[in-house]
Amino acid sequence: GAGVSQSPSNKVTEKGKDVELRCDPISGHTALYWYRQSLGQGLEFLIYFQGNSAPDKSGLPSDRFSAERTGGSVSTLTIQRTQQEDSAVYLCASSLAFQGGTEAFFGQGTRLTVV
Amino acid sequence: GNSVTQMEGPVTLSEEAFLTINCTYTATGYPSLFWYVQYPGEGLQLLLKATKADDKGSNKGFEATYRKETTSFHLEKGSVQVSDSAVYFCALSDVYGQAGTALIFGKGTTLSVSS
Repeated sequence: GAGVSQSPSNKVTEKGKDVELRCDPISGHTALYWYRQSLGQGLEFLIYFQGNSAPDKSGLPSDRFSAERTGGSVSTLTIQRTQQEDSAVYLCASSLAFQGGTEAFFGQGTRLTVV
Repeated sequence: GNSVTQMEGPVTLSEEAFLTINCTYTATGYPSLFWYVQYPGEGLQLLLKATKADDKGSNKGFEATYRKETTSFHLEKGSVQVSDSAVYFCALSDVYGQAGTALIFGKGTTLSVSS
């Protein structure tokens, strides 16, 4: 596709359920990022994949959050036992290759609401 | 660790006013610096960037100069328009080793321009 694609665009789930959010990066982009955007909190870094290197998971807020990237392309962010504080917009971005100044392209995000 | 601090908003200006949004950073390596913009209802997109000290990034009448001595990357525009109303995010990416680090964002500054 032409840009970063995220699905679903909206997700409403009950507290305690697990959810999976999908990101299709731009073809050929080796770097992929997940962020969480909450009102008043800006963009919170969650996890970063770069090529075959071990992912940087330093931003994941708890062990309920995990992410994988299969075949160096599609990524799935999984939130287990969702809580109301998990409600936010989850953004995915990708970039061509990590070098200083490389532009990251963002998807439209998945709005998650936990009720 | 790496971090970005930008001025709190919202910033409210009249059309044709001068804009400054302050951004300072902390980084362990040799960061590249970015301004991203999020227009209402749209995804994040790159506005401008600078990859080394004293570089000036510019786009759409906006400018920012990479000041290593003050660890700053302030965003400026000489004459804002209503269409500039958006949320502006300062960000950095640090480069060391081969993997580098993900983009780290500030909390965002909301700009509202009235006619």
